Amino acid sequence: ETGVTQTPRHLVMGMTNKKSLKCEQHLGHNAMYWYKQSAKKPLELMFVYSLEERVENNSVPSRFSPECPNSSHLFLHLHTLQPEDSALYLCASSQNREEQLFFGSGTQLSVL
Amino acid sequence: GQNIDQPTEMTATEGAIVQINCTYQTSGFNGLFWYQQHAGEAPTFLSYNVLDGLEEKGRFSSFLSRSKGYSYLLLKELQMKDSASYLCAVVSWGKLQFGAGTQVVVTP
Repeated sequence: ETGVTQTPRHLVMGMTNKKSLKCEQHLGHNAMYWYKQSAKKPLELMFVYSLEERVENNSVPSRFSPECPNSSHLFLHLHTLQPEDSALYLCASSQNREEQLFFGSGTQLSVL
Repeated sequence: GQNIDQPTEMTATEGAIVQINCTYQTSGFNGLFWYQQHAGEAPTFLSYNVLDGLEEKGRFSSFLSRSKGYSYLLLKELQMKDSASYLCAVVSWGKLQFGAGTQVVVTP
């Protein structure tokens, strides 16, 4: 148990589907993140929330839509994805920005 | 922008020592992390360096030279369970930027 839980662990979706990834942290942290991890590539930072306010959006396509209803929960809403969006999506949290990240186990996403 | 380089893969035998290098070019440096990631699992924290020098933690040690933009992770007395990807991450301007990771394969 890492203190950060993500669901689902695996997701297969068609390009016309709408789905959501969920992340919950039980560590009392102030910052939460979404990262994308593709094979042989660095982790790509997608979104950062600090105290429930989005502070970073790294030119991510609008087909990815984050939501942070409170400091413990983070969602990533997906719609009309492309096959190249297939990757491992990792949620993380930290006490404050620039501090140690605690990662969830990720959602392995396949877009058909 | 930032550039973080680490080798793609390294192979070593059980009981040996392996050194994983990480070089970076960045502005506003505020520290460097090393994470371990087993296949299909979450990355987990190994070490953090913000000042020059060596930090030792059991079988794992991490070194930083800020003037050279260089760090290494040293794994001693390798065990089979150490087979994993090792990620170097640089802290800069409020965020962590990751290298592509080094896959370490430990053979019997």
